[in-house]
Amino acid sequence: SAVISQKPSRDICQRGTSLTIQCQVDSQVTMMFWYRQQPGQSLTLIATANQGSEATYESGFVIDKFPISRPNLTFSTLTVSNMSPEDSSIYLCSVAGGARTEAFFGQGTRLTVV
Amino acid sequence: ILNVEQSPQSLHVQEGDSTNFTCSFPSSNFYALHWYRWETAKSPEALFVMTLNGDEKKKGRISATLNTKEGYSYLYIKGSQPEDSATYLCASYAGGTSYGKLTFGQGTILTVHP
Repeated sequence: SAVISQKPSRDICQRGTSLTIQCQVDSQVTMMFWYRQQPGQSLTLIATANQGSEATYESGFVIDKFPISRPNLTFSTLTVSNMSPEDSSIYLCSVAGGARTEAFFGQGTRLTVV
Repeated sequence: ILNVEQSPQSLHVQEGDSTNFTCSFPSSNFYALHWYRWETAKSPEALFVMTLNGDEKKKGRISATLNTKEGYSYLYIKGSQPEDSATYLCASYAGGTSYGKLTFGQGTILTVHP
């Protein structure tokens, strides 16, 4: 199992600014995942954060908009850059689930852009 | 089916009622089907990870079945309680190069009225 501490839990931000979300895991993990849930939509994978290499982004997400850091095996950050109201979402970090194992998630960051 | 789809989107039941939801997923490249319960301001919590066609799993009053040939899973809650109120998410895991990545449905929002 893994316990993930994610912060901030919520924020209200002005458009054009940036917000950095942090996730700390209580054990070393190779891969961490960042998801977004826009209102009324599914949880959607933004990118996979690998320690020691560039993050891998899913279709429709780019590094300039969502830069990710992974300085060690227990920590990652996601920055939402140059925010617009369309970025208002819940952002979740996660460590891997798979064929036999469940995924573990942070508590989520509820972002409102005004 | 190309995406993971859940129905209904929301459900209101009375305490003591039994209820069920549906998750449809692509049957090709299937490795596993995950169910999570997500309460407001908390981390999504795993309920089941299912891999075998015909599998049935149970945790207390909650159970789930899996049909991998036709690509669907049912989640059942017997004797619903107000504390069962949450969003229930299913997610498909494809494995291979998609290691660790989950594809989620939109979720079913369950409200249990006392």
